[in-house]
Formats: sequence, C-alpha cells, structure tokens
Amino acid sequence: DTAVSQTPKYLVTQMGNDKSIKCEQNLGHDTMYWYKQDSKKFLKIMFSYNNKELIINETVPNRFSPKSPDKAHLNLHINSLELGDSAVYFCASSQQWTGGFGTEAFFGQGTRLTVV
Amino acid sequence: DQQVKQNSPSLSVQEGRISILNCDYTNSMFDYFLWYKKYPAEGPTFLISISSIKDKNEDGRFTVFLNKSAKHLSLHIVPSQPGDSAVYFCAAMRVSSNTGKLIFGQGTTLQVKP
Repeated sequence: DTAVSQTPKYLVTQMGNDKSIKCEQNLGHDTMYWYKQDSKKFLKIMFSYNNKELIINETVPNRFSPKSPDKAHLNLHINSLELGDSAVYFCASSQQWTGGFGTEAFFGQGTRLTVV
Repeated sequence: DQQVKQNSPSLSVQEGRISILNCDYTNSMFDYFLWYKKYPAEGPTFLISISSIKDKNEDGRFTVFLNKSAKHLSLHIVPSQPGDSAVYFCAAMRVSSNTGKLIFGQGTTLQVKP
C-alpha cells in the first residue's frame, strides 16, 4: 500500500505544452510538498501546503501552480513548458510538527519530466 | 548559497566495514537534521534523524552524530552491506519556521563492495 504516490512516473512532452502531475498520500498527514531535483541532483523545495493552505512558495515561475483539492492530494500544474523545466519532481508529505520537534517527510517515487 | 553541503560526491567501502558520510551546514538556526537514502528511480526514504539538543542518535546499524559547534553531522553505517549502496542525502530543518521545509545537501553516492 503506497504511502505517497504520484503519477505519471515518466512524462515526455513538447515545449509550450501544459501538463499536470498528481500526488496522493494515504498517511493522514497535514502537510504536502513539491520538491524538484535538477540535473545537478540538488533537491529543492518548490511548494508546501498545510491543510490545503499554501505556506511555502519558493521563487518558482508562476507557470507552476500547485492545487490542493483536499489535504490528501497536491497536484502540480505546469503551463507553457520550457526545456529548463526538465527535472525529476518529487511529492512528499509530513505530519504536522508539534512540541518543537521536527518530523520526517515521506516522498513519492518521483516524476521524471522531459521537455523536448 | 548552499546551506547544507556534502563535500564527498562518492564513497566506496568494503562489505562489513564502516561507512562514514559527512555533512556540513552553515545556518546556525537549523535545529533538526535528517538522513535520507535514495535508490535510482525511487524517491528518497527516511533513514534517521537527530534534534539539535542531542549529539548522537542510533538506530540499528545507523548512527548519526551531530557536532553543533562545528556545524557538522555524520552518518555511520556499521557493518556496511551491499544493499546499502545508494545515494545518501543530508537534510536540515528550522523547526521554528513551522513549515517543515527541508534543505538538502547534494548527496553522496555510497558503493559497498562485496
């Protein structure tokens, strides 16, 4: 039973197209994230939602729009795809942090996006 | 500005020996640190974490050490097994930010030779 699942796993598309990546978690977590792993293998946060509310929006082009219909889902929509958008996108979720202690995030298997 | 750094891109050890992976950070506001393991074509999986109020945390073959004054942490794997071969990411968090945001290092590829 997959905890954080994202679809599709691979996505090849042409420049200028619009595409979406879907993410669902069945862990009952309050917070969901999108991370991007670029060609240099750096993992960087893009967005975070807590109970459907956007709490992190890093300096990401506004062609990227996250949507959270409920706290178990966080989808990523990308408009007008560019070559530089090619990367691996990871969805993640975590429990709400309490008591001043951190908590680990659980990651999906990733979506490899290739823009041609 | 890379706030979390893993200066060794790769490490090769013999099965049964100790693997030591290192991580340095620059932001003294970080107060929670994590190690993740990643296999090809899979997402990172959580291994072990440590709060800044501790200097050591152990879980089976995995031990994480934190040296706050040096802003350095390390992951020890003893004994190393071939199945440990993967990319290991160090990550840091500022719990007080209440965002859960993780800042990752660039990863170290560990190869454990049989």
